[in-house]
Amino acid sequence: GQNIDQPTEMTATEGAIVQINCTYQTSGFNGLFWYQQHAGEAPTFLSYNVLDGLEEKGRFSSFLSRSKGYSYLLLKELQMKDSASYLCAVMDSNYQLIWGAGTKLIIKP
Amino acid sequence: DADVTQTPRNRITKTGKRIMLECSQTKGHDRMYWYRQDPGLGLQLIYYSFDVKDINKGEISDGYSVSRQAQAKFSLSLESAIPNQTALYFCATAGQGEAGELFFGEGSRLTVL
Repeated sequence: GQNIDQPTEMTATEGAIVQINCTYQTSGFNGLFWYQQHAGEAPTFLSYNVLDGLEEKGRFSSFLSRSKGYSYLLLKELQMKDSASYLCAVMDSNYQLIWGAGTKLIIKP
Repeated sequence: DADVTQTPRNRITKTGKRIMLECSQTKGHDRMYWYRQDPGLGLQLIYYSFDVKDINKGEISDGYSVSRQAQAKFSLSLESAIPNQTALYFCATAGQGEAGELFFGEGSRLTVL
């Protein structure tokens, strides 16, 4: 079966750095996506990786290793507004998105 | 105004009632999706449509039906609602060639008593 694993919850301190991991087993791979979802709101697109390596976008970076079935989202200079759930999703061989359950990130002052 | 609009935002209904959730978009996207979100679970795809004449079942389509009335409108129906359909429902759109970058509506919270 297809599976996306990410930690259920993480806590970090304002101003610090946090890394949210995602491992996947899917039938085929056509890209990995990270979304941010604030409580009670819709998910919003953060990043896309299809080749191995690091993609940087401001305070957020996303890394992919296809051979290891692994990705991480790195958030730097954490701000209180970064408190949200972070969803990892993989596009399979049928171009369907398979979603992880999300990681709830709690930022403490 | 939001690019992807869902109505109603909240609905409480009783078992056996018919419910329709509506979605409209101004992004000009051909691809539209209906997902449900339950606590502790990933988003689950109910139905998707790549154009007005194309409707496809997702992983959890049983108990649901959809209608793509126009490029901009995609409705989800629960013909006879049951309590385990209590969930948060999201409509989403995507442009051609950008199937992984979804634009979500604000969500419709449905409670079936």
